[in-house]
Amino acid sequence: NAGVTQTPKFQVLKTGQSMTLQCAQDMNHNSMYWYRQDPGMGLRLIYYSASEGTTDKGEVPNGYNVSRLNKREFSLRLESAAPSQTSVYFCASSESTGGSGNTIYFGEGSWLTVV
Amino acid sequence: GNSVTQMEGPVTLSEEAFLTINCTYTATGYPSLFWYVQYPGEGLQLLLKATKADDKGSNKGFEATYRKETTSFHLEKGSVQVSDSAVYFCALSEKPGGSYIPTFGRGTSLIVHP
Repeated sequence: NAGVTQTPKFQVLKTGQSMTLQCAQDMNHNSMYWYRQDPGMGLRLIYYSASEGTTDKGEVPNGYNVSRLNKREFSLRLESAAPSQTSVYFCASSESTGGSGNTIYFGEGSWLTVV
Repeated sequence: GNSVTQMEGPVTLSEEAFLTINCTYTATGYPSLFWYVQYPGEGLQLLLKATKADDKGSNKGFEATYRKETTSFHLEKGSVQVSDSAVYFCALSEKPGGSYIPTFGRGTSLIVHP
């Protein structure tokens, strides 16, 4: 009954360090997403993958890269972390991006602090 | 482009009070509309949805009606409980560029006191 699992849950980075957030889903979903959540800003889409083998930029992609490793896994990489990337990151998945009524399923979040 | 506007929070209520959280949207076509809820320390989860005009979504005593004429999807509950304290997000899903990618509002925090 795992759903969407993301790691790590908490991380502190120094400015300039790199790290990768891992995400996996066990619902056989085609589409996966990375969002960031900041106070007063709601959820903003960083990148998404409509299907295995494809990735597209969302609203705030600068400073991030993604890899859709296989159908289950979608990772987010910060190459050179900046304090502005301090945020809560959510991975999510859905059956596809081909239907307007599709439900998005979220992981529990990763709290990242860049000092 | 698409956008969702929610009322500012926090909304503070006493237990058993009536709840309304306003949500209006801007879209070019006929989106699906959603309410998601985020409990403290957790990810978002779907509360209810409506996929066409005049549909009413409902779950756990919450309901919202898709009003195309007023481009609104207000969330209501007749009698809130302390356990309803959470952040509520209105969202829409449309296909402006070929994929249905949801757009979220900024969230409204609800605090229910005993």
